[in-house]
Amino acid sequence: QSALTQPASVSGSPGQSITISCTGTSSDVGGYNLVSWYQQHPGKAPKVIIYEVNKRPSGVSNRFSGSKSGNTASLTISGLQAEDEADYFCCSSAGGNTYVFGSGTRVTVL
Amino acid sequence: EVQLVQSGAQVKKPGDSLKISCKPSGYSFTSSWIEWVRQMPGKGLEWMGIIFPGDSDTRYSPSFQGQVTISVDRSDSTVYLQWSSLKASDTAMYYCARRNSKMGSAMDVWGQGTTVTVSS
Repeated sequence: QSALTQPASVSGSPGQSITISCTGTSSDVGGYNLVSWYQQHPGKAPKVIIYEVNKRPSGVSNRFSGSKSGNTASLTISGLQAEDEADYFCCSSAGGNTYVFGSGTRVTVL
Repeated sequence: EVQLVQSGAQVKKPGDSLKISCKPSGYSFTSSWIEWVRQMPGKGLEWMGIIFPGDSDTRYSPSFQGQVTISVDRSDSTVYLQWSSLKASDTAMYYCARRNSKMGSAMDVWGQGTTVTVSS
């Protein structure tokens, strides 16, 4: 059960769109529509922003969207804002009620 | 309000034992899986394991199987994470989180985290 692969860092200017990938295998990302994404600001607990690949919890901005193709899930942040600067982690079911996180991506707003 | 309250920061020596806690409130304790997540200093999130308080069904990540024990005390509505012999490499922040089956099993509520420092 290896960590899912994410880019270490992604950056963009305010107003731009960025996409973070999360690559796994057919045993996790590709095998289940149970991918979630978490935002973590420094010193804070993570917060869920996407679940079931592309669903947003109540209260989460519609600037966040998710998708999946094969063994790769993606998180897109549109209309990038300063407050979006944070670490982002994907998480996928790996079967048998076990889960695996991605390696994490630091988003920088230029 | 649904919340998970974790026990306070711990400073231990290598070889010590430790048990940290996570106390959910605001919902039916026995109805949702609770899991533990490790975050080493400056690093990412690592999924450790999960327990269903209703029947104590427990699953572990292969990386943590045999290294830690996750348990529940239904009489006190509390979930625990314990070590029998700590190592310096166990120094980390540990979060508990609730799995919400109505949200595709996403972790919708998180504890505030417990810092564990292991140093001689």
